[in-house]
Amino acid sequence: GAVVSQHPSWVICKSGTSVKIECRSLDFQATTMFWYRQFPKQSLMLMATSNEGSKATYEQGVEKDKFLINHASLTLSTLTVTSAHPEDSSFYICSAPLFIHRSTGELFFGEGSRLTVL
Amino acid sequence: GQNIDQPTEMTATEGAIVQINCTYQTSGFNGLFWYQQHAGEAPTFLSYNVLDGLEEKGRFSSFLSRSKGYSYLLLKELQMKDSASYLCAVRTGEDDYKLSFGAGTTVTVRA
Repeated sequence: GAVVSQHPSWVICKSGTSVKIECRSLDFQATTMFWYRQFPKQSLMLMATSNEGSKATYEQGVEKDKFLINHASLTLSTLTVTSAHPEDSSFYICSAPLFIHRSTGELFFGEGSRLTVL
Repeated sequence: GQNIDQPTEMTATEGAIVQINCTYQTSGFNGLFWYQQHAGEAPTFLSYNVLDGLEEKGRFSSFLSRSKGYSYLLLKELQMKDSASYLCAVRTGEDDYKLSFGAGTTVTVRA
């Protein structure tokens, strides 16, 4: 079953509005989560590292004030796209490393959220 | 920056074998991952290599040569459901677990 859950799966919004996407780790604590963005037929681009109890670390070129990340608990990280515009339309995916016996800390991904800004 | 290259597309017949190559030039290396991603879905973990050699897991195998900055994913006995994008990803940091991804290879399996 899924170990990382993301919500909503689909969202359509008007230009200028804000959209919040939630990412939850199921049955394990994730002090770190990663947010990726994927445009059609392109690879996943890391946007930011979400750190529980501290500020997120953003990759170069990603606007901190536009993509607000909050990691308020050990199982929940949220990404808020503020004042969304059509160019923000994309597939947003969160992930978390899972550490269990014999694991390698591989990332498990949420189901992804497809954002369409009209 | 990180440079991870893999072919854009490959086509093969059901029951055949396909090998997807990945070359990388990164600022650090702490493991190479292969993920499978079906259209419109999130990636799912396939394999992990950190030492040179071949890792076999059922119909899928992954190989790594760190000195050459090279890996491949081998898919045997192809099935229609294997049609997907295959992503090569490198973990570059020692203390963090973020991955840098290649653009992905779209594999189409034909009957």
